[in-house]
Amino acid sequence: NAGVTQTPKFQVLKTGQSMTLQCAQDMNHNSMYWYRQDPGMGLRLIYYSASEGTTDKGEVPNGYNVSRLNKREFSLRLESAAPSQTSVYFCATSFKTGNTEAFFGQGTRLTVV
Amino acid sequence: AQSVTQLGSHVSVSEGALVLLRCNYSSSVPPYLFWYVQYPNQGLQLLLKYTSAATLVKGINGFEAEFKKSETSFHLTKPSAHMSDAAEYFCAVTSDTGRRALTFGSGTRLQVQP
Repeated sequence: NAGVTQTPKFQVLKTGQSMTLQCAQDMNHNSMYWYRQDPGMGLRLIYYSASEGTTDKGEVPNGYNVSRLNKREFSLRLESAAPSQTSVYFCATSFKTGNTEAFFGQGTRLTVV
Repeated sequence: AQSVTQLGSHVSVSEGALVLLRCNYSSSVPPYLFWYVQYPNQGLQLLLKYTSAATLVKGINGFEAEFKKSETSFHLTKPSAHMSDAAEYFCAVTSDTGRRALTFGSGTRLQVQP
């Protein structure tokens, strides 16, 4: 049982390059989330998808786009990477939004040079 | 809007000593509160959650937390620290209105000294 799978695990980009972070879950959850983790700032919500076919902005959406491809997959795209986007990115899922536990992937460590 | 404040970015205790990690929340509606733990180079895993039932919540690995509405607090405790408890701990809040996604505190790194 894989749970929440993120790819890639590590990535180095040059400023201005684009890339897509992939997230897939086999938990049959309705809601999916993208967070970024920076030292001393905890996890901040970038975008989330309450259910298939919907996406909403979180606290720090600028510079990112998302696609909820189907119930299982939720991707995060950086169109033109900037050094300020150097971070660890986590995908999470939950059965629904609100009062339910979220399950996290192992993270993607992204460095933008 | 909802928010979480974790007092103390680093806490150091001796093995066998009491662990106390502080969390205060702000929410205009009834909150749901969570504690997550993150071991090095891993994702987060749930320790425990408060969802408006019992105010004293027991979680995994001997941790517990008490919801105190009057103090807007949800502090995490463990009577006796173990070396394996060394990790980063995050308090988080959500609700059934508004964004309804977890809002995290800045985290507390727990060190356990032998």
